[in-house]
Amino acid sequence: GAVVSQHPSWVICKSGTSVKIECRSLDFQATTMFWYRQFPKQSLMLMATSNEGSKATYEQGVEKDKFLINHASLTLSTLTVTSAHPEDSSFYICSASQRAGIQETQYFGPGTRLLVL
Amino acid sequence: AQKVTQAQTEISVVEKEDVTLDCVYETRDTTYYLFWYKQPPSGELVFLIRRNSFDEQNEISGRYSWNFQKSTSSFNFTITASQVVDSAVYFCALRANTGNQFYFGTGTSLTVIP
Repeated sequence: GAVVSQHPSWVICKSGTSVKIECRSLDFQATTMFWYRQFPKQSLMLMATSNEGSKATYEQGVEKDKFLINHASLTLSTLTVTSAHPEDSSFYICSASQRAGIQETQYFGPGTRLLVL
Repeated sequence: AQKVTQAQTEISVVEKEDVTLDCVYETRDTTYYLFWYKQPPSGELVFLIRRNSFDEQNEISGRYSWNFQKSTSSFNFTITASQVVDSAVYFCALRANTGNQFYFGTGTSLTVIP
């Protein structure tokens, strides 16, 4: 099946620094990618929908200036956590949407654990 | 509004017991998709099943079975003869036909005791 990768899988950074997380669809083109955040022992919450070549659509309560999303190509979306703080520590998961005719399937990446000290 | 409810937060069973994980959903869409994912401690979501709203046939895959009941808006998941490797958090999710984003339940943490 299709594979979605995320890089890095783990990142530890100091408070105030910016962190970039990449989401790649390895063997298919994804016009739409989604970014989720999961706090420990909680569910996945959609942060934003990333569309190739256009601005991302953010969910209510998600700061777009804090979480910058760029979907520069059909196989890559990036999430940049700007000026990260300890409360941004979380598990970030992306998913990529593959369309074949009228069928649309989503594939999830393995996730990125962010720890802000 | 789309919503998924997993009322069971944590379940513990002894190995070889059967266990059912409940999932109730809400949507106004007539076309939608329901999913179950397994999330082991590593964090990666493991796809288990997808069911579209027009297919109410129950499905069995090995020790796993799913019961989709549109009348009660439920999509329950049963593990037969549970094993220690089944220990994980299980998420039920809904994807509406419009928008394509997933709506996840809060998950059920299953512990299978040897």
